[in-house]
Amino acid sequence: AQTVTQSQPEMSVQEAETVTLSCTYDTSESDYYLFWYKQPPSRQMILVIRQEAYKQQNATENRFSVNFQKAAKSFSLKISDSQLGDAAMYFCAYRSAYSDYKLSFGAGTTVTVRA
Amino acid sequence: DTAVSQTPKYLVTQMGNDKSIKCEQNLGHDTMYWYKQDSKKFLKIMFSYNNKELIINETVPNRFSPKSPDKAHLNLHINSLELGDSAVYFCASSQGLAGVDTQYFGPGTRLTVL
Repeated sequence: AQTVTQSQPEMSVQEAETVTLSCTYDTSESDYYLFWYKQPPSRQMILVIRQEAYKQQNATENRFSVNFQKAAKSFSLKISDSQLGDAAMYFCAYRSAYSDYKLSFGAGTTVTVRA
Repeated sequence: DTAVSQTPKYLVTQMGNDKSIKCEQNLGHDTMYWYKQDSKKFLKIMFSYNNKELIINETVPNRFSPKSPDKAHLNLHINSLELGDSAVYFCASSQGLAGVDTQYFGPGTRLTVL
């Protein structure tokens, strides 16, 4: 079974600054997908960004980018120019490319944005 | 238009009761899921259906029974509710079972068992 670890329960960032959330995972598979989901207080789960393991290029979505280190099994999320609306819980998730169709989630990191 | 919808959004009930949560997606997806988020915010898969066929049943007590009347709907029925069933239940859907298929989540149903 795949394990996803988010070692930072909480992170705080000043508005307009940058914050990086860490995520590591454990797998023996060579092909898989990694995701970051955002859960604001409304509790809606929103996809932030997705990375295919076979792609070396790091995914980017506007102010959100990832640092994918396959050998280290690390998948961090960088939020640039933080905005008040970025305040939420962020979940890292893993999905196999072959089987076991579920998303395996980390424990989440709560991000607070200071005005 | 809401892509994945759930009803109700809040459900408060007594121990021992039977309740259902409904989920509908209008994305034309073939695959639907139920996840449970506990009080510590940990999310875990419960069930997955593909084209109305059960694909994943993740060691969930048999008091929980999913039902998929068609590809657009996946309902969750819970018998003999227990205090430990209190959680937020999320429905999700994806185009198919491939790893590349992004899962889209509903707004969640907060179940409180008294």
